[in-house]
Amino acid sequence: GAVVSQHPSWVICKSGTSVKIECRSLDFQATTMFWYRQFPKQSLMLMATSNEGSKATYEQGVEKDKFLINHASLTLSTLTVTSAHPEDSSFYICSARRSGGLYEQFFGPGTRLTVL
Amino acid sequence: QKEVEQDPGPLSVPEGAIVSLNCTYSNSAFQYFMWYRQYSRKGPELLMYTYSSGNKEDGRFTAQVDKSSKYISLFIRDSQPSDSATYLCAMTQTGANNLFFGTGTRLTVIP
Repeated sequence: GAVVSQHPSWVICKSGTSVKIECRSLDFQATTMFWYRQFPKQSLMLMATSNEGSKATYEQGVEKDKFLINHASLTLSTLTVTSAHPEDSSFYICSARRSGGLYEQFFGPGTRLTVL
Repeated sequence: QKEVEQDPGPLSVPEGAIVSLNCTYSNSAFQYFMWYRQYSRKGPELLMYTYSSGNKEDGRFTAQVDKSSKYISLFIRDSQPSDSATYLCAMTQTGANNLFFGTGTRLTVIP
């Protein structure tokens, strides 16, 4: 149990375009989902926390107008990178906390974004 | 000072060795402790979850928490090449939404 999927697993796009990444909890309901960014050989950097049905909470330094997060249901959160630029190229990982669960987070497999 | 400190390694051990991975932390309110394993280009996978102090064993893995020293450990017995990965410790406190992560330790088990 506690499986989280992400789609797509990798994407290449042109500079200036927008990219949407989906995060789904497949076998549990998640009231809270998290979006992280990870650079090579570095640890996870929390970008934002999203709660179902409410606005996401962004970490300091993360532009909310650039990284749009929608947590529309208890099993789906999306991250849209708007007007992507090469510096947005990174590994994006989502995680989910189970409704009624404790504090552990279950991570998706990640999405590698390359902006040309 | 970071809230969670973890030696980044890299750590190389021969197959069959016992591996000890450690994290220290500064916030005495932390009560929930996790260890994740992350293979290259993959998302982290939850290995162990412990609450407060004590030991927890699961197969070849043992997690230890010493709250008095603010120190947690993960032991891997009979290490295998498939254990080669980055190991991240994470922790949090009651009522918190976020996890606080260590930087991760890269482990290589040599056949």
